[in-house]
Amino acid sequence: ETGVTQSPTHLIKTRGQQVTLRCSSQSGHNTVSWYQQALGQGPQFIFQYYREEENGRGNFPPRFSGLQFPNYSSELNVNALELDDSALYLCASSPQQGLPEAFFGQGTRLTVV
Amino acid sequence: AQSVTQLDSQVPVFEEAPVELRCNYSSSVSVYLFWYVQYPNQGLQLLLKYLSGSTLVKGINGFEAEFNKSQTSFHLRKPSVHISDTAEYFCAVSDLGGYQKVTFGTGTKLQVIP
Repeated sequence: ETGVTQSPTHLIKTRGQQVTLRCSSQSGHNTVSWYQQALGQGPQFIFQYYREEENGRGNFPPRFSGLQFPNYSSELNVNALELDDSALYLCASSPQQGLPEAFFGQGTRLTVV
Repeated sequence: AQSVTQLDSQVPVFEEAPVELRCNYSSSVSVYLFWYVQYPNQGLQLLLKYLSGSTLVKGINGFEAEFNKSQTSFHLRKPSVHISDTAEYFCAVSDLGGYQKVTFGTGTKLQVIP
């Protein structure tokens, strides 16, 4: 059974650019959530996808968007990058919507310069 | 809305000594409670969870936590720490039902001193 995998592991972008981060959920998991973890902070919920639809969103602007594919993998897209977007982005998958246990990937470290 | 408070940002402790990491939460509904551990440059690993039933929950690596509803606390304990326990620990809550949004505390860095 493979765990949650994220790519890339590290990324450097320039302010104003766009970025796409990818996540493969754990086998059999149909729910994917994304979190932003700024340095020295706890993870903050961005949004959740269930069966290819967004079904929950945290306090993040619309320039943070996502997709979930039929195989339950997911993408996080961030447009018009700002310096404050520099953070570790974590993807978590769950076997079923509403179940509380989430399995996290290793994260993508995004640096905006 | 839910919130989680981890009062101690850093906890130094000598190897083989006991440790307690404190967590208090606030929620208007019943919640699930979790402790996650994060090693440097790593993702989050689930240590233990409270969903229902016994208020004393045992997790991996010898950790345990006790849910206290009246005090809205979920403190993490280990009777004897090892150097390998040096990491950051996050307490988290998730409300029952609906979509699963996990709210995390700001974390406690546990530093085990040889």
